[in-house]
Amino acid sequence: DIVMTQSPFSLAVSEGEMVTINCKSSQSLLSSGNQKNYLAWYQQKPGQSPKLLIYYASTRQSGVPDRFIGSGSGTDFTLTISDVQAEDLADYYCLQHYSSPLTFGSGTKLEIK
Amino acid sequence: EVQLVESGGGLVQPGRSLKLSCAASGFTFSDYYMAWVRQAPTKGLEWVASISYDGGSTYYRDSVKGRFTISRDNAKSSLYLQMDSLRSEDTATYYCTTDLGWEPDYWGQGVMVTVSS
Repeated sequence: DIVMTQSPFSLAVSEGEMVTINCKSSQSLLSSGNQKNYLAWYQQKPGQSPKLLIYYASTRQSGVPDRFIGSGSGTDFTLTISDVQAEDLADYYCLQHYSSPLTFGSGTKLEIK
Repeated sequence: EVQLVESGGGLVQPGRSLKLSCAASGFTFSDYYMAWVRQAPTKGLEWVASISYDGGSTYYRDSVKGRFTISRDNAKSSLYLQMDSLRSEDTATYYCTTDLGWEPDYWGQGVMVTVSS
């Protein structure tokens, strides 16, 4: 199974600041066939269902603000949230769907000071 | 409007069975792989099972293999999860969702399953 190691566990920032969340996979998520990384990022706001933010490591889902930026390739990935807003209060998870079983990172709790 | 509505959750004793249902509307259900994802209280997300467009291929995490069965009825735009031999560690909110990691990304509101004597 591919293990997803996500950090930090939590972080607290003020509005307008930038945050970085990291995710490391135990195996490469890069497909040799299409050169795509099978890594996604999800946001789960309190009391809500998860929502896809980023897929293929760096492609934003329709409607996701451009302050959410995904980067990385192979085994190391980053979600950057620039100009954090109060509405970004949530848990964030990375997901690998390169191979079964699909595995999520342990999550990062973002708090707003 | 896209909707995924789960039902069938509740309190069940260890070793017993429960069947979850997910009714889809607002999109062409048969065009998408579907999945179940669960989240234990105060814990993270965990993929449970996935199923192909026509139900011909199914995939499970090891901890539920042989106990859970994912299925679908495209004529009824419905997804199911038959859960047998339930254990306390299966206690979680179960979400019905379109295939993980892709657009479109549709999720139900979740249904709670509590396994306890």
